[in-house]
Amino acid sequence: GDSVTQMEGPVTLSEEAFLTINCTYTATGYPSLFWYVQYPGEGLQLLLKATKADDKGSNKGFEATYRKETTSFHLEKGSVQVSDSAVYFCATTGSSNTGKLIFGQGTTLQVKP
Amino acid sequence: DARVTQTPRHKVTEMGQEVTMRCQPILGHNTVFWYRQTMMQGLELLAYFRNRAPLDDSGMPKDRFSAEMPDATLATLKIQPSEPRDSAVYFCASGFGQLNEKLFFGSGTQLSVL
Repeated sequence: GDSVTQMEGPVTLSEEAFLTINCTYTATGYPSLFWYVQYPGEGLQLLLKATKADDKGSNKGFEATYRKETTSFHLEKGSVQVSDSAVYFCATTGSSNTGKLIFGQGTTLQVKP
Repeated sequence: DARVTQTPRHKVTEMGQEVTMRCQPILGHNTVFWYRQTMMQGLELLAYFRNRAPLDDSGMPKDRFSAEMPDATLATLKIQPSEPRDSAVYFCASGFGQLNEKLFFGSGTQLSVL
């Protein structure tokens, strides 16, 4: 079945370091891909999205490129801040594209001053 | 700002009791999701409604869980009887359109079953 696999956390970085969180998906066709972020005690918020191959989603300094050949959607940021500490979830609409979102396990990012 | 409202925020109950969680989706949104979040399983989809009709509840234990949308402004998730393994954070999310390009999540209900 459709699924999303993220790199295991926690990821601990110093402020201003470069961030990569890997995400790969299993689905046929051309699903949409998303990154959501969850701050402590809150629900998830959409961070960025891409709806077709080679699209680059970007927001708040974060970027991710839809790579169909490698079925990947890795999240990157050039210089992280303490305020970026959160749990990041990769998600896909899957093969059926009915609107149902399938989430990965989440990756905890901790940024130290 | 429009937001998804979930009540209660916290619930502590004893095993065997009925638990009802409520969600008010954003006005105008036509899809509603219920997710359960635990450390071990991450985010699990329990139920998915579009235009108040259930589209997918395959992730929900049918013997004790039920999800309904009595009207467009209210979604409910019930557990009867509750068990300690149901302890988790339950999130409601709403969206619109065929592909739900952006989901809006509530702050969740933290459930503890003793």
